[in-house]
Amino acid sequence: DAGITQSPRHKVTETGTPVTLRCHQTENHRYMYWYRQDPGHGLRLIHYSYGVKDTDKGEVSDGYSVSRSKTEDFLLTLESATSSQTSVYFCAISDRGQGETQYFGPGTRLLVL
Amino acid sequence: QQQVKQSPQSLIVQKGGISIINCAYENTAFDYFPWYQQFPGKGPALLIAIRPDVSEKKEGRFTISFNKSAKQFSLHIMDSQPGDSATYFCAASIQGAQKLVFGQGTRLTINP
Repeated sequence: DAGITQSPRHKVTETGTPVTLRCHQTENHRYMYWYRQDPGHGLRLIHYSYGVKDTDKGEVSDGYSVSRSKTEDFLLTLESATSSQTSVYFCAISDRGQGETQYFGPGTRLLVL
Repeated sequence: QQQVKQSPQSLIVQKGGISIINCAYENTAFDYFPWYQQFPGKGPALLIAIRPDVSEKKEGRFTISFNKSAKQFSLHIMDSQPGDSATYFCAASIQGAQKLVFGQGTRLTINP
């Protein structure tokens, strides 16, 4: 998975609790992304980062926040998890030097009860 | 205008047959059209991509056909094999934007 790890890989949590997912890359790519994957909706962009401390919203950003304090790490936080945030979350990376190709991590399966 | 619509949602093909997945877009500024392949439990991976200056691109058994006037593109898998069973996503991007818009995905099953 192109030097991308995600942690945890699986998580079960309760409604109202905060959750942080971590994406770590060893490729020194500038761009990092968080997607969620749900049946019938494909991959939807939550937030992305175009550099350290530089982030922007995607199409489904409500209820999520992100932080990037180092090139290699991109954190996704659900401040107060809801059942509608039950999903599989993917991190991806890209770099202008390799065109538009995005490389995806293995995913985190999150269940909010 | 940012949407990419993909069909069908699921597809079953016999081994050796041709699998065809279609995508349509609205934003004429899109100029990069990749297809990603995802196996169960894994993240998506780039399979093949095309830019609108050509109408077709072939890599092995996989071909992208692109129709700029109709704003449609499709993935053809020739001689489909059970190992091709996966979920396929089309996507679109504007060059330099470093952001992809994905279709809804197609779950392809190749029966032996």
